[in-house]
Amino acid sequence: DAKTTQPNSMESNEEEPVHLPCNHSTISGTDYIHWYRQLPSQGPEYVIHGLTSNVNNRMASLAIAEDRKSSTLILHRATLRDAAVYYCILPMEYGNKLVFGAGTILRVKS
Amino acid sequence: EAGVVQSPRYKIIEKKQPVAFWCNPISGHNTLYWYRQNLGQGPELLIRYENEEAVDDSQLPKDRFSAERLKGVDSTLKIQPAELGDSAVYLCASSSYFVHTGELFFGEGSRLTVL
Repeated sequence: DAKTTQPNSMESNEEEPVHLPCNHSTISGTDYIHWYRQLPSQGPEYVIHGLTSNVNNRMASLAIAEDRKSSTLILHRATLRDAAVYYCILPMEYGNKLVFGAGTILRVKS
Repeated sequence: EAGVVQSPRYKIIEKKQPVAFWCNPISGHNTLYWYRQNLGQGPELLIRYENEEAVDDSQLPKDRFSAERLKGVDSTLKIQPAELGDSAVYLCASSSYFVHTGELFFGEGSRLTVL
């Protein structure tokens, strides 16, 4: 099963873009890349997912490397409410199982 | 539309006591998950249901933990007897069939403290 590697923590200034990296060098051709985030004292929430092409939604953008061995979650303008733990996940068992790692703690400074 | 509902939000018990957590998933979601999250760590999957059937319970400590999902809707997770190391947040989540093309919806969690 493919695994992901993320930095333990990152820091950003408010109103600036944030690029959260994720390495998944053993990804298979059918593995989707999912991102979730967890705000303090809440359950995780879905952010975005993609397969090969870059993806955009109202929360963020997902940039996927051409070889798919890495991806980057982009928050275009960080706010204090974006301070959270961000998880990069490759669903397992034909897409029915999400295994969470430790994620990246994002701190946003005002 | 209501999200995933869990209760209780907080529970404090003494060790060796029993405890139960309840989860009501999003209407129409066939798949239900229970996760446990220890402080400073990511959620760990305990059990996954597809309708009434537990299809993955490999991480559930079966000597003291049990779960059920009657009629393929609500679910209950029970611990008996609780130990100090069971202190954690217990998260319930639900989804339509295939997560890898969709998303998992989580409840707010039930925080258990065992004294």
